[in-house]
Amino acid sequence: SSELTQDPAVSVALGQTVRITCRGDSLRSHYANWFQQKPGQAPLLVIYGKNYRPSGIPDRFSGSDSGNTASLTITGAQAEDEADYYCNSRDSSGNHWVFGGGTKLTVL
Amino acid sequence: QITLKESGPMLVKPTQTLTLTCTFSGFSLSSSGVGVGWIRQAPGKALEWLADIYWDDDRRYSPSLKSRLSIIKDTPKNQVVLTMTNMGPVDTGTYYCARRGTLGDAFDIWGQGTVVAVSS
Repeated sequence: SSELTQDPAVSVALGQTVRITCRGDSLRSHYANWFQQKPGQAPLLVIYGKNYRPSGIPDRFSGSDSGNTASLTITGAQAEDEADYYCNSRDSSGNHWVFGGGTKLTVL
Repeated sequence: QITLKESGPMLVKPTQTLTLTCTFSGFSLSSSGVGVGWIRQAPGKALEWLADIYWDDDRRYSPSLKSRLSIIKDTPKNQVVLTMTNMGPVDTGTYYCARRGTLGDAFDIWGQGTVVAVSS
């Protein structure tokens, strides 16, 4: 399968922990990269590979994987984390890429 | 400083061919492992990967759009050009180019995007 499935929306109370998941058969063989996108802005890479953060990304962002599921965890969510989050990985062939449908995170 | 910037028409007519140029600076597309890709986003919708081109001229296309896409690079000019044929209203959206190959295989730096509308 070349699809990555995300929950459309997730909410979290300020300062609490939230997990955003991404499911797909290709994730059994390939890591997911995670992007944050705020309205009117280009996506921003927040997690890549096994669990790496680009320079400047707060350490409250972390990634994990298990079987066909990749997860992005925000520990101690802040108001500025309210955004759309997308997973991205290779398809099962390994030769093409696919994005998940995105998760809208609301920080209450 | 690494930057990428998309350019192209804001409006195309149905059935026309779209040509977009990504002009970048701060890195070279001749560096081993580096690639530039195109991603689009319809209004209010998810990101959609379109195509990649790599330092060694390897090209990858979205299977669902492969017949309509072409990607080439001009290394001395630091440009990547994407063409998409037979444009239709569903192709309306924001088109981004981005670099990959420096942080794993992730798109680590993105352009600001260019908006394309398809309408007669």
